[in-house]
Amino acid sequence: AQTVTQSQPEMSVQEAETVTLSCTYDTSENNYYLFWYKQPPSRQMILVIRQEAYKQQNATENRFSVNFQKAAKSFSLKISDSQLGDTAMYFCAFRLYSGGGADGLTFGKGTHLIIQP
Amino acid sequence: DVKVTQSSRYLVKRTGEKVFLECVQDMDHENMFWYRQDPGLGLRLIYFSYDVKMKEKGDIPEGYSVSREKKERFSLILESASTNQTSMYLCASSPQGGWNTEAFFGQGTRLTVV
Repeated sequence: AQTVTQSQPEMSVQEAETVTLSCTYDTSENNYYLFWYKQPPSRQMILVIRQEAYKQQNATENRFSVNFQKAAKSFSLKISDSQLGDTAMYFCAFRLYSGGGADGLTFGKGTHLIIQP
Repeated sequence: DVKVTQSSRYLVKRTGEKVFLECVQDMDHENMFWYRQDPGLGLRLIYFSYDVKMKEKGDIPEGYSVSREKKERFSLILESASTNQTSMYLCASSPQGGWNTEAFFGQGTRLTVV
């Protein structure tokens, strides 16, 4: 079974600062995907960024980037130039590769990120 | 845009009632999922389905069942609701295909069992 650990239950930073959310995972498999999801107060889960385990290059989406360390089983999210709208719960998630993609996501417990004005 | 719609945002039910949570997606996705979200526990998979009439247990299926009679609809059933099933329930769907498929979520149903 896979596990995902987010060690920071809550973080608070000032607007425009850079913040890094940590995530570690445990698996014996080699092919998998990693995701960061954002859940604002509206409760709508939104995909922030994804990473394929076979890719060494770290994924980047505008102000969001990841530091993927496969050997260390670490997948941290960096948010640059943080904005008030980034305030949300952030979940790290893991999914094994399968032909049909039907395997569910395994989530961490989440990090509540608060951006202060 | 992909849309996953859950029938209720808030629901209050009594202990022992049979409860149906409905989820509909409009993108012809093969895979559908039900998660439960609790503070400090993150999201946990209850059941998933990869095709009509097919279902698989997730990590916490006890006390729940599901139904998928049509591709677009996936129902979560609490046969006899209990107070420990008070939670946020999230439905998700994703297309078939192993490479990098994204799951799309509904807005959640906050269920309170009294």
